[in-house]
Amino acid sequence: SQQGEEDPQALSIQEGENATMNCSYKTSINNLQWYRQNSGRGLVHLILIRSNEREKHSGRLRVTLDTSKKSSSLLITASRAADTASYFCATTPFGGYNKLIFGAGTRLAVHP
Amino acid sequence: DGGITQSPKYLFRKEGQNVTLSCEQNLNHDAMYWYRQDPGQGLRLIYYSQIVNDFQKGDIAEGYSVSREKKESFPLTVTSAQKNPTAFYLCASTGTAQETQYFGPGTRLLVL
Repeated sequence: SQQGEEDPQALSIQEGENATMNCSYKTSINNLQWYRQNSGRGLVHLILIRSNEREKHSGRLRVTLDTSKKSSSLLITASRAADTASYFCATTPFGGYNKLIFGAGTRLAVHP
Repeated sequence: DGGITQSPKYLFRKEGQNVTLSCEQNLNHDAMYWYRQDPGQGLRLIYYSQIVNDFQKGDIAEGYSVSREKKESFPLTVTSAQKNPTAFYLCASTGTAQETQYFGPGTRLLVL
């Protein structure tokens, strides 16, 4: 069962532009996380936002969470070619004791 | 150098054969997870273990088995009952806060 759905499925931009990815989910959550996956590799944790938080920053990353709309967005500012990867949101359902449910991901391509 | 290791990187399975994927962590994490990722898809939970000698089925456990005899190790066996095993398999673990998951580099399983 997949909780999250990312939008768009694929995004192609030029270096220096901002990239915005969205995630929607279905049930109440404890927290929402964003992970990055380079092609054929494991996932790397980027940022976690709790259900009582609305916005969080980490370097060039900005994450927002709207629990009333059950949605989150990930903004990468001033993108670089090295940001090319797939980005996944993952939710911990409320009461779901550390079981993450992943969306299908957004494939980001940043062109030099 | 702490982290999660998975081996082998590539694994080939013949029809009717059981194969075992290795996952080892030296992060002193209690919880460990196995996920399956199909091309262009998110991660689906196969099995997870919160503590040694205990594990629970995830969303797609049929055709798989696990053991957790040591804290550091969580091997996954893909049995002959799994009719469509070709996929990328990822192992993860979490610490006491049990929020962020740390992933290994993955094993790609192919059927001959």
